[in-house]
Amino acid sequence: EIVMTQSPATLSVSPGERATLSCRASQSVSSNLAWYQQKPGQAPRLLIYGASTRATGIPARFSGSGSGAEFTLTISSLQSEDFAVYYCQQYNDWPLFGQGTKVEVK
Amino acid sequence: EVQLVESGGGLVQPGGSLRLSCSASGFTFSSYAMHWVRQVSGKGLEYVSAISSNGGSTYYADSVKGRFTISRDNSKNTLYLQMSSLRAEDMAVYYCVISAGGSYYFDYWGQGTLVTVSS
Repeated sequence: EIVMTQSPATLSVSPGERATLSCRASQSVSSNLAWYQQKPGQAPRLLIYGASTRATGIPARFSGSGSGAEFTLTISSLQSEDFAVYYCQQYNDWPLFGQGTKVEVK
Repeated sequence: EVQLVESGGGLVQPGGSLRLSCSASGFTFSSYAMHWVRQVSGKGLEYVSAISSNGGSTYYADSVKGRFTISRDNSKNTLYLQMSSLRAEDMAVYYCVISAGGSYYFDYWGQGTLVTVSS
């Protein structure tokens, strides 16, 4: 069974700074990797699919990269609305989510 | 506009049953596979179940296999999740989700319905 590991668990960043989130799979998932953002009390929102394709309406400051087993979500300049929990999800096999990275205000 | 509205959550005793519903609108329901994802409070997300567009194929996580049944009524644009033999670990917010691209990443989510399993 594939295991998805996100790091760090919590990332403290100042507004305007860059945030880099990591997601690692225990085996290759090709480019079948998605990223979601979740704010308190809300459902997750799809940001990225296919490892690097932004979903409809997602700002260009969000970018995804990687393939195989190593993936990165980069937020180029954090806005106040970006402080949230971010999940990666592989869909190369039975869909599986990582445990999440919380991006908080430094 | 795609809308997914879950209902049917509530308090149930361990060993009890509950049926969740998801009313869909804004897209051709009968053309899309449908899915359930759950989230334990403050924790991560777990993919629970899926059903093909015509209902002919169903899929379940090992954690719910044999206890949960997914179904759909394309004439009513409604997805269901029949849950039985409920356990404390089934307590979660249950989301109805779809993939507009027909894959297994999820563009659209409902607001979720909370299932509480407690005596």
